[in-house]
Amino acid sequence: GAVVSQHPSRVICKSGTSVKIECRSLDFQATTMFWYRQFPKKSLMLMATSNEGSKATYEQGVEKDKFLINHASLTLSTLTVTSAHPEDSSFYICSARGWDRGVSNYGYTFGSGTRLTVV
Amino acid sequence: AQSVTQLGSHVSVSEGALVLLRCNYSSSVPPYLFWYVQYPNQGLQLLLKYTSAATLVKGINGFEAEFKKSETSFHLTKPSAHMSDAAEYFCAVSGFRGGSQGNLIFGKGTKLSVKP
Repeated sequence: GAVVSQHPSRVICKSGTSVKIECRSLDFQATTMFWYRQFPKKSLMLMATSNEGSKATYEQGVEKDKFLINHASLTLSTLTVTSAHPEDSSFYICSARGWDRGVSNYGYTFGSGTRLTVV
Repeated sequence: AQSVTQLGSHVSVSEGALVLLRCNYSSSVPPYLFWYVQYPNQGLQLLLKYTSAATLVKGINGFEAEFKKSETSFHLTKPSAHMSDAAEYFCAVSGFRGGSQGNLIFGKGTKLSVKP
C-alpha cells in the first residue's frame, strides 16, 4: 500500500530558528501534498496544498512567508517553519494524494506527524 | 461547500459492545467519504472510504460504514469493541470539482473510549 514517511517525528527548537519537516512518498507519485496542523484535542486544520512543481496554495490566515512549502519532486515535499515562536508549537501532518501504477488513488495517505515544540 | 459534523466528541463503550460513531456530511457535489483513526502522537490511518461504489463499505479492523444519501450520513460501526479500538476517529469528505478531487474536510473528531 501507499506509504508516506514524515521526518522528524519530534523536534524541539529555540525561538527564532527555522525547522524543516520532510514528507516522502515511498511507493507512489505524490502529485498533490496537503499540510495540516493539529492543535491539542482539535481536528486537523488544512494549512496549504501543493502540487508538484507549482507554488503552494495557502489557506486563509496561514502566513506563506512563515510556513514555506516546497514540492519540487513527485516524492518529496517539505514544510519549513521560519523564525519559529512558541505559538507555532503544534502537531504537523502531511498527506499525499497521487498515482499508483497509473491509477489515481482516491484516498489520502498520511504521514505519521511531527510534534514541534518551540522553546 | 462541504462540511462534516461528527455527533459526540466522546463516546464510551464497554469491551464487546457495539461501536457507533456518527457522521453527517454536507456537499454540493457527489461526495467521497472517509473514516480515519488516530492514535496519540501519530498520523491518521485510513479505516475505510466510500467512492460512489457500494453503499456499505467494509474497512479494516472489523469496521464498516454505510453511505445513506437520503440522510446525508456515513456512520461508522463495529459489532464488538476491543480495547485496542480506543483512539480518536475522524470523518472526512472530499469531492470533485472540475474533474479534480479536492482536499479533505475533517469533522472535529470523536474520541472512543473502551471500558474493560
